[in-house]
Amino acid sequence: QVQLVQSGAEVKRPGSSVKVSCRASGGAFSTSAIFWVRQAPGQGPEWMGGIIPVFHTSKYTRKFQGRVTISADASTGTAYMELRSLRSDDTALYYCAGGSTTRWGGWFDPWGQGTLVTVSS
Amino acid sequence: SYELTQPPSVSVSPGQTASITCSGNELGYKHVSWYQQKPGQSPILVIFEDNKRPSGIPERFSGSNSGNTATLTISGTQAMDEADYYCQAWDSNTAIFGTGTKVTAL
Repeated sequence: QVQLVQSGAEVKRPGSSVKVSCRASGGAFSTSAIFWVRQAPGQGPEWMGGIIPVFHTSKYTRKFQGRVTISADASTGTAYMELRSLRSDDTALYYCAGGSTTRWGGWFDPWGQGTLVTVSS
Repeated sequence: SYELTQPPSVSVSPGQTASITCSGNELGYKHVSWYQQKPGQSPILVIFEDNKRPSGIPERFSGSNSGNTATLTISGTQAMDEADYYCQAWDSNTAIFGTGTKVTAL
């Protein structure tokens, strides 16, 4: 069964960038979408966007458009999420999750273990 | 923008039934998924496509969706079911998560 393994916690300065990775372990890299979801402390999940690797297409929510890039390397079975111009309110747990289809829809399963990004001066 | 509203909390006695609602405009026309999240853990999928259970999810978890409301039902709630629960649906190619419900087994 495929598991998603994310990179470790990061501490960043305001205005800098962070790049989080998400590697498929224990199975083939899915041809379905890979999504990125963030969860601020004490808050619910918030969808940031995703990528459908087989079609080389990415989609971002309006809130993050222009500040986030989601990419994937099928040869290594790894997806990436880069967030730029970090602010203190970007401090959150960032999750990757596998999609169930090759379109923008379906459910999120499995989820990675989460990567804590702390933005502080 | 589309919103999914859940009650902040639901309390249930062990062994009883917990019902968690998720409200959104014409939600019945969309497919709803439900996720369970325990403290310090990643969310896990408990219901997809309104009423389907992934393998490994106990039969006490069930779902329904009609009109403007989707419902997650936990029959015979156990202490291990204490967690936050989030509904999720898609609107205009955007994934929307509900506001979340904390289930407490008193």
